[in-house]
Amino acid sequence: EVQLVQSGAEVKKPGESLKISCRGSGYSFNNYWIAWVRQMPGKGLEWMGIIYPGDSDTRYGPSFQGQVTFSADKSISTAYLQWGALKASDTAMYYCARLMEVGSSWQPHDYWGQGTLVTVSS
Amino acid sequence: EIVLTQSPGTLSLSPGERATLSCRASQSVTSNYLAWYQQKIGQAPRLLIYGASSRATGIPDRFSGSGSGTDFTLTISRLEPEDFAVYYCHQYAGSPRTFGQGTKVEIK
Repeated sequence: EVQLVQSGAEVKKPGESLKISCRGSGYSFNNYWIAWVRQMPGKGLEWMGIIYPGDSDTRYGPSFQGQVTFSADKSISTAYLQWGALKASDTAMYYCARLMEVGSSWQPHDYWGQGTLVTVSS
Repeated sequence: EIVLTQSPGTLSLSPGERATLSCRASQSVTSNYLAWYQQKIGQAPRLLIYGASSRATGIPDRFSGSGSGTDFTLTISRLEPEDFAVYYCHQYAGSPRTFGQGTKVEIK
């Protein structure tokens, strides 16, 4: 069974750093792109970008370029999303999702993690 | 960037009725790389339709997708109680990929 399991909720102060995780199981993690999607409170879905765990190739959406960093550790089938200095406006639910077909970045998202709620408040 | 505009914002219907949701793209979506997702409160989105008209695994046949180019439609033939949710369209043909703003289907 394909599963993506994300790390737990986080409460941080502005300016702090953070790294959240997304662990895949039940499939060949290295060979499928992983997407990150943001959902701010009461709002819609925003595509942040994608990473290919096999070689850590990354593509960032323009609104997120330079604001976050994607990484992956294929030895433990885990992708990461990190911030160097959080802002209150980073408060949101963050989802990871698998792209549907092997090796292709032009795919819909067929499996989703449960989401990680990040709250940034002083 | 391809902008997706969904309409209506909210659809108020009764169980058993037909729901028709629209998604319009600011430019043509190559290869009909358009998907639809359902999101219920407190849950992650679920893939319903991809390639504009192909149902994802396990999706009931009351859900259907149609359209091409810039105009796409999600139809729910007969609403079941569990279908009341928010629906998003998503294009994965251009960079960056984008989502529509969502259509809420609520119980009338």
